[in-house]
Amino acid sequence: EAGVTQSPTHLIKTRGQQATLRCSPISGHTSVYWYQQALGLGLQFLLWYDEGEERNRGNFPPRFSGRQFPNYSSELNVNALELEDSALYLCASSLNRGSTDTQYFGPGTRLTVL
Amino acid sequence: AQSVTQLGSHVSVSEGALVLLRCNYSSSVPPYLFWYVQYPNQGLQLLLKYTTGATLVKGINGFEAEFKKSETSFHLTKPSAHMSDAAEYFCAAYSQGGSEKLVFGKGTKLTVNP
Repeated sequence: EAGVTQSPTHLIKTRGQQATLRCSPISGHTSVYWYQQALGLGLQFLLWYDEGEERNRGNFPPRFSGRQFPNYSSELNVNALELEDSALYLCASSLNRGSTDTQYFGPGTRLTVL
Repeated sequence: AQSVTQLGSHVSVSEGALVLLRCNYSSSVPPYLFWYVQYPNQGLQLLLKYTTGATLVKGINGFEAEFKKSETSFHLTKPSAHMSDAAEYFCAAYSQGGSEKLVFGKGTKLTVNP
């Protein structure tokens, strides 16, 4: 069974640009979560999507947004990039909404903002 | 709000020695608890989880954790460290109330010395 996949592996952008990160969940999983892992700040919850809807959002500005497609894959968009957005962005998926089910993580996308 | 505290950002042990990584949670209502491991430049891999039932949980790679409600703890142990155990370990908990938000500790980096 394929795990959670993310693309690209690495992404280099300059300040002010936009970044798009992609995630494909485990087959059959409907919930997708995004986390930011910045140096020294640990893992911070960004967004949770389920059945195409945004269900919860962490303490991040509106320039962090995303969506979930009918096939449950997801996209994270970061607009007006700032230097402090440089981080590893992790996507996770789980089987059921509302069940506090186990989240399975992808390998991450390393975003570098210059 | 739920919080997770990992005591010791760095732990160093000798190969063959006991590994003990500490985790405490803040909720008065026992949450679901998880330990994840992150190898360099990789995503998070689930080691084990506690939901309900038996308080001693066995995971992969010889790790286990014991849920102690009286101490609000969920410490991770392994009887004999192996060089391949060197990684960063994260304790996480689901917030009660169905917010589906995993709250992570800051992580503990484990070094295994030959």
